Amino acid sequence: RKEVEQDPGPFNVPEGATVAFNCTYSNSASQSFFWYRQDCRKEPKLLMSVYSSGNEDGRFTAQLNRASQYISLLIRDSKLSDSATYLCVVILTGTASKLTFGTGTRLQVTL
Amino acid sequence: NAGVTQTPKFQVLKTGQSMTLQCAQDMNHEYMSWYRQDPGMGLRLIHYSVGAGITDQGEVPNGYNVSRSTTEDFPLRLLSAAPSQTSVYFCASSRGVGAEAFFGQGTRLTVV
Repeated sequence: RKEVEQDPGPFNVPEGATVAFNCTYSNSASQSFFWYRQDCRKEPKLLMSVYSSGNEDGRFTAQLNRASQYISLLIRDSKLSDSATYLCVVILTGTASKLTFGTGTRLQVTL
Repeated sequence: NAGVTQTPKFQVLKTGQSMTLQCAQDMNHEYMSWYRQDPGMGLRLIHYSVGAGITDQGEVPNGYNVSRSTTEDFPLRLLSAAPSQTSVYFCASSRGVGAEAFFGQGTRLTVV
């Protein structure tokens, strides 16, 4: 079983739609959680950290469910510019900041 | 405001050749790491360093060497290139555990 699993998609949604991605992780010792965004042929960039209480940044909301070992990302009012691959990233306790990546979920927002 | 700089951006090697991928950061970050990204596999950790003079292996270290003589630089050496090393390589740095990781622009390597 992969340590971090994501549905690869693609998710094709119209502009203005709300879309949600989930990511499951296998190791209960995971301590830090992030969503990164990667545009085609570019480097990953941090979208947002994920906190236990959930957090919001504009149109983006991230949630963590430790009991079920998954994190989620909700994007409201999708824009064309949101088209990208969204990477779920986990850091295990005591692993000196080694990031473990999911394979990514591709989002395509259309007119 | 350079951040993380990787060179070269593209490289074609013949099987058996060696080369060094360069990575430099100007943010005084202690943590640096190398990843490779392959279709359907996600980013996988090759080697990482928690400070100058300290390196350790990641998930897929075979065929690669690293060194960290300064805080700024973390080169990745391919000892004898193989077609299986065809990939996109990313260098990253961060200031510590749980902190944001900054990535270089990547190196697209093809081994023929």
